[in-house]
Amino acid sequence: KNQVEQSPQSLIILEGKNCTLQCNYTVSPFSNLRWYKQDTGRGPVSLTIMTFSENTKSNGRYTATLDADTKQSSLHITASQLSDSASYICVVSEGTYKYIFGTGTRLKVLA
Amino acid sequence: DAGITQSPRHKVTETGTPVTLRCHQTENHRYMYWYRQDPGHGLRLIHYSYGVKDTDKGEVSDGYSVSRSKTEDFLLTLESATSSQTSVYFCAISWGTNYGYTFGSGTRLTVV
Repeated sequence: KNQVEQSPQSLIILEGKNCTLQCNYTVSPFSNLRWYKQDTGRGPVSLTIMTFSENTKSNGRYTATLDADTKQSSLHITASQLSDSASYICVVSEGTYKYIFGTGTRLKVLA
Repeated sequence: DAGITQSPRHKVTETGTPVTLRCHQTENHRYMYWYRQDPGHGLRLIHYSYGVKDTDKGEVSDGYSVSRSKTEDFLLTLESATSSQTSVYFCAISWGTNYGYTFGSGTRLTVV
């Protein structure tokens, strides 16, 4: 069964600290993997997208990594800010219309 | 979000009544999607469209129908709303499967 699992479910960190969110998937075939940020009450917004051949992609303070062999991805947030408080969703595509969404990691950044 | 709007943003309706949610885009994207988001679940695909009058079912399509008579509009209809359809509904648009989504701001639907 195609699945995307994220960990941790929730995370609390202090402003200025770094953190890493994990995504493991069993989706096959694999086309690409995306990370989205979803603020409370809003739709998800794309952070990064990686294909099979890419293993790192950065977007400002956000850096995503992909290991297609172990089917793992991580999202690293550097020097966190209060505005980083949100849910972060990992999405894996089979290359068809099918996108498998993880349930997300809820991040809270405290001052 | 710029280029995609959902209406209404909030709706409370009674069990058994029909409900239509609207998604409007100004980006001329070919693909449009309807998802629902519930606690403990990732976003789940209800229906999607790959062109005018071209639609297909997603993984949770029972109880829902869609229509796309124009490129810019994608309607989601609950023919007879049930309490299990209480959810937040998101519309998304895309150029294609190798491109990212742009999501709308969501519609919070409560069926009482």
